[in-house]
Amino acid sequence: SQQGEEDPQALSIQEGENATMNCSYKTSINNLQWYRQNSGRGLVHLILIRSNEREKHSGRLRVTLDTSKKSSSLLITASRAADTASYFCAPPIFRNSGNTPLVFGKGTRLSVIA
Amino acid sequence: DAGVIQSPRHEVTEMGQEVTLRCKPISGHNSLFWYRQTMMRGLELLIYFNNNVPIDDSGMPEDRFSAKMPNASFSTLKIQPSEPRDSAVYFCASSLSNGEAFFGQGTRLTVV
Repeated sequence: SQQGEEDPQALSIQEGENATMNCSYKTSINNLQWYRQNSGRGLVHLILIRSNEREKHSGRLRVTLDTSKKSSSLLITASRAADTASYFCAPPIFRNSGNTPLVFGKGTRLSVIA
Repeated sequence: DAGVIQSPRHEVTEMGQEVTLRCKPISGHNSLFWYRQTMMRGLELLIYFNNNVPIDDSGMPEDRFSAKMPNASFSTLKIQPSEPRDSAVYFCASSLSNGEAFFGQGTRLTVV
């Protein structure tokens, strides 16, 4: 399937450190999205990067995309305890009809220790 | 906009009972998705609609599950009869075509 696979499965860091999460996928995409989920809540969209972009920033978030390696990374700089959550990448599934549902992997569980 | 609205937030039911989960997507969004999340299987796509039409229901686990979208502002996911293994958090999400998906807060279903 096309679902993204995040690595590592779990990450624990100290507040103020940077956190890097990686994502690999299998087929061609025209964009890739990253989401965050706090415990017991729905997913929240963080950032979308298009296939013709190599890097994108949003506040303390930096996302890179390497389409030749079919991989993406999410970097959170100067992490805070409030960043503790699960993070998912979502490469869309292409259909002939053009519909692109998002399929999620197991995510990376990030714990930021104050 | 209030975002994607799901109801109920929590549902506890006995095995064999019918369960109906409801979703109101964001106005103007033309795609709607139902997901199920468990510790074991993660976040699974059950079914999605485009312009109120079901496009792919291959993720629906079995015939006990059905989903409808009678109009652009309402969708239901029904489980009949429910079983303990259906216990999970069910999420509804909506989006514009090829855009970011907005998720509801989910319905936590417990079947005893």
